[in-house]
Amino acid sequence: DTGVSQNPRHKITKRGQNVTFRCDPISEHNRLYWYRQTLGQGPEFLTYFQNEAQLEKSRLLSDRFSAERPKGSFSTLEIQRTEQGDSAMYLCASSSTSGGATDTQYFGPGTRLTVL
Amino acid sequence: GNSVTQMEGPVTLSEEAFLTINCTYTATGYPSLFWYVQYPGEGLQLLLKATKADDKGSNKGFEATYRKETTSFHLEKGSVQVSDSAVYFCALYNNNDMRFGAGTRLTVKP
Repeated sequence: DTGVSQNPRHKITKRGQNVTFRCDPISEHNRLYWYRQTLGQGPEFLTYFQNEAQLEKSRLLSDRFSAERPKGSFSTLEIQRTEQGDSAMYLCASSSTSGGATDTQYFGPGTRLTVL
Repeated sequence: GNSVTQMEGPVTLSEEAFLTINCTYTATGYPSLFWYVQYPGEGLQLLLKATKADDKGSNKGFEATYRKETTSFHLEKGSVQVSDSAVYFCALYNNNDMRFGAGTRLTVKP
């Protein structure tokens, strides 16, 4: 069990550029979640996948945000036309629907985005 | 809807002091409740959980009891250490919805 990994750990970009982040979940976990965390706040849920299906995306912050999990393993979160307000830590988490522990999510270290 | 309210910080304690961080929630049905901890420079780590009323979660000397009558899940530790300095987040999971509190920063001084 290598844990949830995220890349890159830090990303600095200029306003208007597109950025993409990657998350690799714990290998046996079929659910994958994306969150945003701003300074002094708790994580804010964005979207989640079960295998390759995106089951909830109504809480993505705007249509500039999109996520994919094409083969049910790793996932990417893309932000198009970044704005300074997108600066935050983007967290990924995973969980398993087997064994009755669907509710327990394990988090990655996050990707810190800075938009100049 | 689902929501979590936790005690605002920061909290500063001396080593070996007793810790309580209050957490209350709003939810329909029967959510699962969690405490996560974020050490400086690290990601969120699950500290403990409880899945039904009167369950007590415990780990590393920390405890929290799921109180449905008061909709609370307060975090306690009898004797804190400097190494417990971190930000603590209360969270609930209900109907595929995960909600976090704003976090409480704890600093323990030697």
